[in-house]
Amino acid sequence: GQNIDQPTEMTATEGAIVQINCTYQTSGFNGLFWYQQHAGEAPTFLSYNVLDGLEEKGRFSSFLSRSKGYSYLLLKELQMKDSASYLCAAMDSNYQLIWGAGTKLIIKP
Amino acid sequence: GAVVSQHPSRVICKSGTSVKIECRSLDFQATTMFWYRQFPKQSLMLMATSNEGSKATYEQGVEKDKFLINHASLTLSTLTVTSAHPEDSSFYICSARSSGAQETQYFGPGTRLLVL
Repeated sequence: GQNIDQPTEMTATEGAIVQINCTYQTSGFNGLFWYQQHAGEAPTFLSYNVLDGLEEKGRFSSFLSRSKGYSYLLLKELQMKDSASYLCAAMDSNYQLIWGAGTKLIIKP
Repeated sequence: GAVVSQHPSRVICKSGTSVKIECRSLDFQATTMFWYRQFPKQSLMLMATSNEGSKATYEQGVEKDKFLINHASLTLSTLTVTSAHPEDSSFYICSARSSGAQETQYFGPGTRLLVL
């Protein structure tokens, strides 16, 4: 079957670095997305990876290993506003999104 | 496994026709469902919030007469794109929010609409 796994909740300190992992199993693969969602708001697109490797975008980086079915989102220099849920979603061969349940990130001062 | 399903997964239609997309919560009752539209590599754009048994709340700029939403039961919401035009071609995603002590939002796999 198709499945996405990511931790339910993580806690980190302001100014630190946190890595949110995501493993996926899909029928075919057309890329992996990361979204940020603040409570009561629509998810905001953060990154899209379809090739192996690390893509850096400011304080946020996303990594993909297709052979391992693994991705992570790396957040540096954490700010209080980074407290949110982070959703991992893989696109299968039919261009359907398989969603993870989301990781709630709590930032402490 | 999936907790929210959408049907159809993809649809191609002629300009001027209407298309209905279903969103179902499989293992829970959802008093609130959301409809989003996504353009490639962009954030999900919230179109409307659908509450069971009442009228949907549309976001600014979304035509309620064009995008008809019905949330007739606690497990089903439908989005009907009326008189579809090529500019309506997009990826439509629904989500359902479970009720209870810990509300969680679950997203559907999306419906790819292509209007010719």
